Amino acid sequence: GAGVSQSPSNKVTEKGKDVELRCDPISGHTALYWYRQSLGQGLEFLIYFQGNSAPDKSGLPSDRFSAERTGGSVSTLTIQRTQQEDSAVYLCASSPIRANYGYTFGSGTRLTVV
Amino acid sequence: AQSVTQLDSQVPVFEEAPVELRCNYSSSVSVYLFWYVQYPNQGLQLLLKYLSGSTLVKGINGFEAEFNKSQTSFHLRKPSVHISDTAEYFCAVSQPAPGYAGGTSYGKLTFGQGTILTVHP
Repeated sequence: GAGVSQSPSNKVTEKGKDVELRCDPISGHTALYWYRQSLGQGLEFLIYFQGNSAPDKSGLPSDRFSAERTGGSVSTLTIQRTQQEDSAVYLCASSPIRANYGYTFGSGTRLTVV
Repeated sequence: AQSVTQLDSQVPVFEEAPVELRCNYSSSVSVYLFWYVQYPNQGLQLLLKYLSGSTLVKGINGFEAEFNKSQTSFHLRKPSVHISDTAEYFCAVSQPAPGYAGGTSYGKLTFGQGTILTVHP
């Protein structure tokens, strides 16, 4: 597509439920990143994909967080047993293979855990 | 390890005035530097980037930034702001890829805390 697409744009969930956030990167972009933006922590790196593998998942805050990418394209970030501190905007970005040249970000998914 | 400090959390300015948003970084190896802008309820948009070469970088919407290695700074400037420039601005740093210029990163960005620019009429 023309840009990075994320869905849903907003998600309200009850504490303890699982959620899945989806990212559809720009066609042909092999690098994909997830970031989290919250009031207290600013913008934090979560995980990086090159193709379908994740060489760097050092930013995932706990084992309740996982992500996968299939077909070198769509990625899903899953949060299990959500907690209120998971409330944030989750941003996805994609980049051509030479990822240091700057990403294109999606508009994000705003997650609210109540 | 690398870090980014944006020295001002909020910058109010009048329309058509010049503005400078300050950014300092620390890193033990060469860095790539970026400025992103975020409008309300939107994702991040790349304003400009410094990878190598000329230290004065021009970006979109009339913004420019100057890389100063000795002062480890990458301040963002615009000579005359518009109401539409009201947004939050983020400075970010990345390292080159492994095997190049001492880098260890595949493009992971470390962001500053952001500066909210408010342009008043």
